[in-house]
Amino acid sequence: RKEVEQDPGPFNVPEGATVAFNCTYSNSASQSFFWYRQDCRKEPKLLMSVYSSGNEDGRFTAQLNRASQYISLLIRDSKLSDSATYLCVVNDNYGQNFVFGPGTRLSVLP
Amino acid sequence: EPEVTQTPSHQVTQMGQEVILRCVPISNHLYFYWYRQILGQKVEFLVSFYNNEISEKSEIFDDQFSVERPDGSNFTLKIRSTKLEDSAMYFCASDRGVEDTQYFGPGTRLTVL
Repeated sequence: RKEVEQDPGPFNVPEGATVAFNCTYSNSASQSFFWYRQDCRKEPKLLMSVYSSGNEDGRFTAQLNRASQYISLLIRDSKLSDSATYLCVVNDNYGQNFVFGPGTRLSVLP
Repeated sequence: EPEVTQTPSHQVTQMGQEVILRCVPISNHLYFYWYRQILGQKVEFLVSFYNNEISEKSEIFDDQFSVERPDGSNFTLKIRSTKLEDSAMYFCASDRGVEDTQYFGPGTRLTVL
């Protein structure tokens, strides 16, 4: 049973490109949603929380559609430093544990 | 900026040996977690800990695993008799409460030979 699914990737894009990642989750009771990024052999680091109204942080925009149980992340004007694996993370309302998606790897090419 | 710390960064052990992985969560956080990530796979929840007891655990967290907060700062994960399949990166995380963002430590890479 897959609880959080993401685009399989990898995504290879040129610098300056806009790239979008998609994520779906199976537990309709989930309440908190996050995007983390993980560099190779490093810990996950919070990129942004995802709110129902959608939110933006610089070049990054996150959207949540509760009816479709779908989360997205848009990266505009991508930089070389954006190269990483992007993890969709959902917090089950009935527990404290995070459920991680398998991640989508992004490589931004010069 | 406060951060979660973990020691050691890399632990190599023989199959059947006991290992203790150590974590120091962020000081004003109340919930503590262990996750593992087998190389090339997704991050998996092991256990959460609050108010000096386990609040939730996954099916991975069997009788070989235990957690402890021996003092006011450390949070440990013990694997009693390691198996080859325990080889993974183990991440500690902490947060302040429900729906709060979790902050992850740098991880301990466990290699079981």
